[in-house]
Amino acid sequence: EVQLVETGGGLVQPGRSLKLSCVASGFTFSSYWMYWIRQAPGKGLEWVSSINTDGGSTYYPDSVKGRFTISRDNAENTVYLQMNSLRSEDTATYYCAKDSIFITIAAPFAYWGQGTLVTVSS
Amino acid sequence: DIQMTQSPASLSASLGETVSIECLASEDIYNNLAWYQQKPGKSPQLLIYYASSLQDGVPSRFSGSGSGTQYSLKINSLESEDAATYFCLQDSEYPWTFGGGTKLELK
Repeated sequence: EVQLVETGGGLVQPGRSLKLSCVASGFTFSSYWMYWIRQAPGKGLEWVSSINTDGGSTYYPDSVKGRFTISRDNAENTVYLQMNSLRSEDTATYYCAKDSIFITIAAPFAYWGQGTLVTVSS
Repeated sequence: DIQMTQSPASLSASLGETVSIECLASEDIYNNLAWYQQKPGKSPQLLIYYASSLQDGVPSRFSGSGSGTQYSLKINSLESEDAATYFCLQDSEYPWTFGGGTKLELK
């Protein structure tokens, strides 16, 4: 059974940093791209970052580019999100997710963690 | 960036009815469109990927269709458990973008 467990959320002051972790189990972690998605309270979903299987390629939207860094440790089955220079608008529940692959087609975000809440406030 | 315009924003329907939710992309996304269901306090769940492929374990009353820039999710024979918010996602090109969501209420 695929499991994704996020940790590291909490209350942080604007301008400070926070690092989220997502521990994966139930699949061959090193074979899958991993993702972070966030959802501000009462709002919609926003894709935050993607990382390929060996960590050599990463992608971000402009809203977090230069402030957030995704990384992974395939030996520890863990993906991270380092968040720097946090702003109030970064307040959200952060989810990690993985695809399912069906032959040549990827089903994006087929599995999600339970999420971890990050609150940026003074 | 590709904009995803989802409609309607909210929807009220009765048990047993059929409803449709639309997503319009600002450019061709070549069927790279997925649909998610989210219930309050829960993580989203994938329903449909590649515009019309049903995710394992999802009831067959859910179906997806469309091409180019226009896509839709249809739910046949509504059941009480279908009350939720639904989102579309384009994963055709970065940055991947979601629609604004449709809140489905059961009368």
